[in-house]
This record gives sequence, structure tokens and C-alpha cells, in this order.
Amino acid sequence: GQQLNQSPQSMFIQEGEDVSMNCTSSSIFNTWLWYKQDPGEGPVLLIALYKAGELTSNGRLTAQFGITRKDSFLNISASIPSDVGIYFCAGRHMDSNYQLIWGAGTKLIIKP
Amino acid sequence: DTGVSQDPRHKITKRGQNVTFRCDPISEHNRLYWYRQTLGQGPEFLTYFQNEAQLEKSRLLSDRFSAERPKGSFSTLEIQRTEQGDSAMYLCASSPQSGTGRYEQYFGPGTRLTVT
Repeated sequence: GQQLNQSPQSMFIQEGEDVSMNCTSSSIFNTWLWYKQDPGEGPVLLIALYKAGELTSNGRLTAQFGITRKDSFLNISASIPSDVGIYFCAGRHMDSNYQLIWGAGTKLIIKP
Repeated sequence: DTGVSQDPRHKITKRGQNVTFRCDPISEHNRLYWYRQTLGQGPEFLTYFQNEAQLEKSRLLSDRFSAERPKGSFSTLEIQRTEQGDSAMYLCASSPQSGTGRYEQYFGPGTRLTVT
């Protein structure tokens, strides 16, 4: 099925560093969602975006809905050990009122 | 505000047995979803309910899978004659009332199924 292109696939970072990841699509979305998933747990919603150009923060996390409506970005500032996990983007196509298209995830690993 | 809950959290069963999972969504949400997730992959859509009506079912879902939401509140997912390929994490999610303009989905902790 259709998938979003999420990059990078994984990131090795030092504690305290800033992190950036993004998702792109060939089609227009009306909603972008960012989730974090820890091993053995369900995804946890971090940020929901509904308007092109929207920039929303949640603590050290900031996400943006791209103005073309075909991409979204997530930034994490001053990473800490508990940021480790897999981050997923998900988008709702303009023609759907419920179904989400998912990225393959970005695995964040903090170097010891 | 209680989140989405799922029961059981873990299930080990022998091939050929039937299993049933339960999901309790956030109380004011009328939309409910089931997903399956395997290691290293994103969630894969299985089925969608709005209130008690099952409005969408993935073409990937075999006839051995059935889901119900009889009173528009909790939902059950049953897998009959389990196969080893059914081993996965089964996730339930709910989202706010249709018509609110909100489409974010809130996930439960999942049920990890292992078929031996």
C-alpha cells in the first residue's frame, strides 16, 4: 500500500544534540500526525497538525505541516536518554475521513 | 481521562486455537480502529468502526479474522484457527467524534500475540 517516505531510517546522536526528521509524500495530506513508540508499547501521539504551514510545539518537540501539504518535519531539541525510541509520521489523505498512511519510522539511538 | 485499554497485554497460543482480544476506547470517542504491527514496521490497518458499524475492513484481512463493536463502546477482535504468521502486536486506537474535524488516533498499549 501507499507509504510515506520517512527519513532518516535511524539516527545515532549524543545526548544534548538537536534532532530532525521528516516525512514526504507524492500526494496532498490534510492531517499530519507524529507518534513515538517504545518497545512493547503502542504508539503515543506527540503532535497533530491540521493546517498548511502550522508550527506546533510540545515541550522540546516542534513539528511543522509543510506549506505544499506534501511533507512534515519533527524537531527534538536538546535530546535526553528517554527520547530513545521509534518515531512514526502518519498522514490523512484529503479524500479520506479516517484512514492514515504511515511512514516506516525513524529509530533514535543515543550514543553512550 | 483514561486512555485506550487493551486486554490481554500478552497472549501465547498454540497453532489452530482461537483467540479473542478486547479494546476499550476513550469513552467519548465514537471511532475505533484495529491495527496489526510486526517488528520494524509501522501499524497496518485492519478494520474501522464508527459507533457499532464496521465501515471498512482491509483486503489483507483473512476470513479467520472478525471484529465486533456491539454497543458502540468496547470492541473485540477474534482470530480463528491461528497460524504462526498471525504472531504480531495487535493495536487498537480510537479517535474523536466524526464531525469534530479532528482525526488524531489514540492508541492502546497493544496485545502481543505469539502463536507456537
